[in-house]
Amino acid sequence: DVKVTQSSRYLVKRTGEKVFLECVQDMDHENMFWYRQDPGLGLRLIYFSYDVKMKEKGDIPEGYSVSREKKERFSLILESASTNQTSMYLCASSLRGSIGEQYFGPGTRLTVT
Amino acid sequence: GQSLEQPSEVTAVEGAIVQINCTYQTSGFYGLSWYQQHDGGAPTFLSYNALDGLEETGRFSSFLSRSDSYGYLLLQELQMKDSASYFCAVRDQGFQKLVFGTGTRLLVSP
Repeated sequence: DVKVTQSSRYLVKRTGEKVFLECVQDMDHENMFWYRQDPGLGLRLIYFSYDVKMKEKGDIPEGYSVSREKKERFSLILESASTNQTSMYLCASSLRGSIGEQYFGPGTRLTVT
Repeated sequence: GQSLEQPSEVTAVEGAIVQINCTYQTSGFYGLSWYQQHDGGAPTFLSYNALDGLEETGRFSSFLSRSDSYGYLLLQELQMKDSASYFCAVRDQGFQKLVFGTGTRLLVSP
């Protein structure tokens, strides 16, 4: 079974802090994704990566950056957290040619106060 | 850009059949996915249609009509555990990403 793990289930940070969200997958997937999920808005893509050291902006990249130094690990960075970044953050992975079939981690509920 | 429309909520009773529709507008189209998400849980992959027609996986089936920019998820023999949110998602041609709809909340009652 594909397993995608995220470093924290719940996280509380203060405005202005730098926040790191880590995601690890164990199925040798080439593609990795970061989404945020807010009520009524569905899942919105922040960034994705289709290879080590490669990254592409998604639909809402502002205020975020990412890092992919190893194939299995994809990190989301909030350079200076703001209250409007309070959300559920979901990491996902897929095989290179199977974008439609993504496997999600359990999510990190981030609260910025 | 891309946009997807699906109903916000659907209700049904145990044992019934329910259909969740999804219409989409994209500049290019590669395929339509469906995901299930229980409250507090992660989305889980259900199906992916790249070609027209019906694909069946157990109690769940997914249909796609590319000419109508339309698809649906069909759930048969509904069970209480099927109460969840269901998301359709479009893979845009040329892009290595999915665009998700806002989800349909399915409530199954006894």
